[in-house]
Amino acid sequence: GAVVSQHPSWVICKSGTSVKIECRSLDFQATTMFWYRQFPKQSLMLMATSNEGSKATYEQGVEKDKFLINHASLTLSTLTVTSAHPEDSSFYICSARDQVSVPTTEAFFGQGTRLTVV
Amino acid sequence: SQQGEEDPQALSIQEGENATMNCSYKTSINNLQWYRQNSGRGLVHLILIRSNEREKHSGRLRVTLDTSKKSSSLLITASRAADTASYFCATLNSGNTPLVFGKGTRLSVIA
Repeated sequence: GAVVSQHPSWVICKSGTSVKIECRSLDFQATTMFWYRQFPKQSLMLMATSNEGSKATYEQGVEKDKFLINHASLTLSTLTVTSAHPEDSSFYICSARDQVSVPTTEAFFGQGTRLTVV
Repeated sequence: SQQGEEDPQALSIQEGENATMNCSYKTSINNLQWYRQNSGRGLVHLILIRSNEREKHSGRLRVTLDTSKKSSSLLITASRAADTASYFCATLNSGNTPLVFGKGTRLSVIA
C-alpha cells in the first residue's frame, strides 16, 4: 500500500534555531499534503495544507512566517519551524492521499516527528 | 478546526470485553475514517466508511454510520491488552480537503 515517510522521527533543538521536517510520498504522487500538530493527550490539529508548486494554505492562528512549508515536488513537502521556542515542542505529522487514483480514500500518515525545543 | 467529538474521552475495560466509542460530527461528509494511535506514535488507519454505507466490519472491528444523526460508532469486540491506544474518528468532506479529527478516545484494556 501507499507509504508516507517522515523524517526525522524525533529532534531536540536549542531555542532560537530552525528545524526542518521532511514528508515524502514513496509510491504515489501527492499534489496536496497536510501538516498536523498534536500536543500531549490532544487530537491532531491541522496546521496547513501544502500545495505542490504554490503557496501553502495556513489555518487560522498558525504563523506562516514561523512554519515555512515548501512543496517543491509531487513527492516531497517540508515543514521548517523557524526560531523555535519551547512552546513549539510538539508532535508534528504529515499526511497525503493518492489523489490521482482515488481522491476520497484513506489518508496515509508519516510516522510523525517529536520536536523538543530546549 | 475539529469537527468530530468522541465519546467517551477515556474508557477502561477488562480484556475480553467489548469497547464502544462514539463520534459525532457537524457538516456533511464524503466518508468517515477511524484511526488508532499508540502513545507517542503515528496513526494507523483502521477502517473507512462512506456516507452511503451504514455498517462495515473488519476483523474484530465494527463501524456504524448514521448520517441523519451525524454520528458514528466503533466497536472493538473481544478486546485485548494490545488494543490499548487512542482512537480517533476523522471526517473527509471532499477529495482535496484535509481530514478533520475528533478529540479521540483513550482506551485502556486491562489484562
